[in-house]
Amino acid sequence: KNEVEQSPQNLTAQEGEFITINCSYSVGISALHWLQQHPGGGIVSLFMLSSGKKKHGRLIATINIQEKHSSLHITASHPRDSAVYICAARGGSNYKLTFGKGTLLTVNP
Amino acid sequence: DVKVTQSSRYLVKRTGEKVFLECVQDMDHENMFWYRQDPGLGLRLIYFSYDVKMKEKGDIPEGYSVSREKKERFSLILESASTNQTSMYLCASSPGLFFNEQFFGPGTRLTVL
Repeated sequence: KNEVEQSPQNLTAQEGEFITINCSYSVGISALHWLQQHPGGGIVSLFMLSSGKKKHGRLIATINIQEKHSSLHITASHPRDSAVYICAARGGSNYKLTFGKGTLLTVNP
Repeated sequence: DVKVTQSSRYLVKRTGEKVFLECVQDMDHENMFWYRQDPGLGLRLIYFSYDVKMKEKGDIPEGYSVSREKKERFSLILESASTNQTSMYLCASSPGLFFNEQFFGPGTRLTVL
């Protein structure tokens, strides 16, 4: 069974700071997802990656398969980035996602 | 844009009631999922459907059943609601299983009194 750990659980930053959220998993995976959940519930998929690095605007996601570790970076953070960020790992031949418990990010103006 | 809608944002029910949560997606996706989300536990899969009338149990199916009579609609049924089923319920859909992102609905916050 895959265990997915996120750190930190809570993160407070000032507007403009560079943010890093970490995700570690215990067994080999076929894909790693990063999701964003704003207050009120709706979840949006940010990235799905199986190797290397992906970038979308100010967001960058990286994955190191050998280390079983992924990071989500936010450059020039903004108060609208305040949300819960969730990573989820998909096993090699398994359709199921195993979710981390989430990181609550608060960006203050 | 894929749109996944859920029938209610907030729902309050009494213990023992039968509860229906409805989810509709408009992008002809094969796969649909029901999750519940609880503080400190993250999202957990209740049931999954990979085709009309086809379903598979997730990690926590006890106390729940599902129905998928049409491709676009996936219903979660609480046969006899209990207080420990108070939670946020999220529906999702995806076009494929292994290398596709999942698209989530806005969630239904269910309170069972």
